[in-house]
Amino acid sequence: SSELTQDPAVSVALGQTVRITCQGDSLRSYYASWYQQKPGQAPVFVIYGKNYRPSGIPDRFSGSTSGNTASLTITGAQAEDEADYYCNSRDSSDNHLVFGGGTKLTVL
Amino acid sequence: QVQLQQWGAGLLKPSETLSLTCAVYGGSFSGYYWSWIRQPPGKGLEWIGEFNHSGGTKYNPSLKSRVTISVDTSKNQFSLKLTSVTAADTAVYYCARETVIATVAWFDPWGQGTLVTVSS
Repeated sequence: SSELTQDPAVSVALGQTVRITCQGDSLRSYYASWYQQKPGQAPVFVIYGKNYRPSGIPDRFSGSTSGNTASLTITGAQAEDEADYYCNSRDSSDNHLVFGGGTKLTVL
Repeated sequence: QVQLQQWGAGLLKPSETLSLTCAVYGGSFSGYYWSWIRQPPGKGLEWIGEFNHSGGTKYNPSLKSRVTISVDTSKNQFSLKLTSVTAADTAVYYCARETVIATVAWFDPWGQGTLVTVSS
């Protein structure tokens, strides 16, 4: 079965750059999408594909993919970026979708 | 702007059937996939399944034997049924519109979420 692996927790100093990664074999065939989730709220879609941001998402959020690893980069992290972040892609056999386990981002 | 509004029973007993419905407002129903996703308390997101615009369904293999996703295009609604629930099915359940283009898929927008608790 396919799975996506994320670091459970990452921290970043206010205003600095942080990269959140997502690893999985399916990422060699499919792009990831990324979601931000704050406590008590539904997830919000922040990045999809090679590096596309939906309207309303600040340009400090960017995405990239290399081999079996997708990355979400926040350049100049703000206090409001503190949240859980999830990656998602379709599995290699195209039978189903899968989410990473999530990364809790702390902005210090 | 498309909005999803979901509803259904929030408290079930073990062995009962979970039933949730999601209505789509302000946008086209066709051309998209329609998905259900859940999140147990304090845990991560889990994709449950999807109904695609060709009329087909795909389900998470771990839930496949108990899940049915259906669509009522006349009402712009789609539904989730999960049979034989246990405490492990306690979670916030979300509906979401899924866009699929080639090798990428994304969920946007999402419903507001429904907490379903399974307890005797």
